[in-house]
Amino acid sequence: GIQVEQSPPDLILQEGANSTLRCNFSDSVNNLQWFHQNPWGQLINLFYIPSGTKQNGRLSATTVATERYSLLYISSSQTTDSGVYFCAVNGGSQGNLIFGKGTKLSVKP
Amino acid sequence: EPEVTQTPSHQVTQMGQEVILRCVPISNHLYFYWYRQILGQKVEFLVSFYNNEISEKSEIFDDQFSVERPDGSNFTLKIRSTKLEDSAMYFCASSGGRGLNTEAFFGQGTRLTVV
Repeated sequence: GIQVEQSPPDLILQEGANSTLRCNFSDSVNNLQWFHQNPWGQLINLFYIPSGTKQNGRLSATTVATERYSLLYISSSQTTDSGVYFCAVNGGSQGNLIFGKGTKLSVKP
Repeated sequence: EPEVTQTPSHQVTQMGQEVILRCVPISNHLYFYWYRQILGQKVEFLVSFYNNEISEKSEIFDDQFSVERPDGSNFTLKIRSTKLEDSAMYFCASSGGRGLNTEAFFGQGTRLTVV
């Protein structure tokens, strides 16, 4: 099956700093999503981005499908950005997502 | 904005007991899923459901698990005889308002603790 690797596994930032999270996947995909898991455990949709670039406020994402990676950019980070960021992909026929292990982000005031 | 809702948010159960986790997917979606996340680990796929039947299941989804869509709005996951290792966050998701491989939306999760 498809392998999903995220880096870095942990990231500590000062408030206001920028960061880039990476997701590599081992095969072609039909769907790629980024999620933020907040401290209460909820999975918040950030981007649905099987290819191309999208922006939403301080967050943006780029997926280069031909090179099998996606990047999530967080600019001017805030303490509320803390949590775990997951990349998930679907390369099969049934729509189920395969998740990476996540990047745990801690933003310090 | 439409959302996936799950109940209960927390459940504590005795080992060996049956539990039913409930979900209301987004109303025009056609594909439904259950995932689980053991504390501190990644989210794992359990089962997908389409057209009133299981379309795919993982190795985790063994005979103690079952899913059902008892009416037009609810989607349930039943664990027949819970084990300590079933303790996890269980997420329901739905997608496919416009076909397969569209964006999946997740509920807020049910945290199951087996004691």
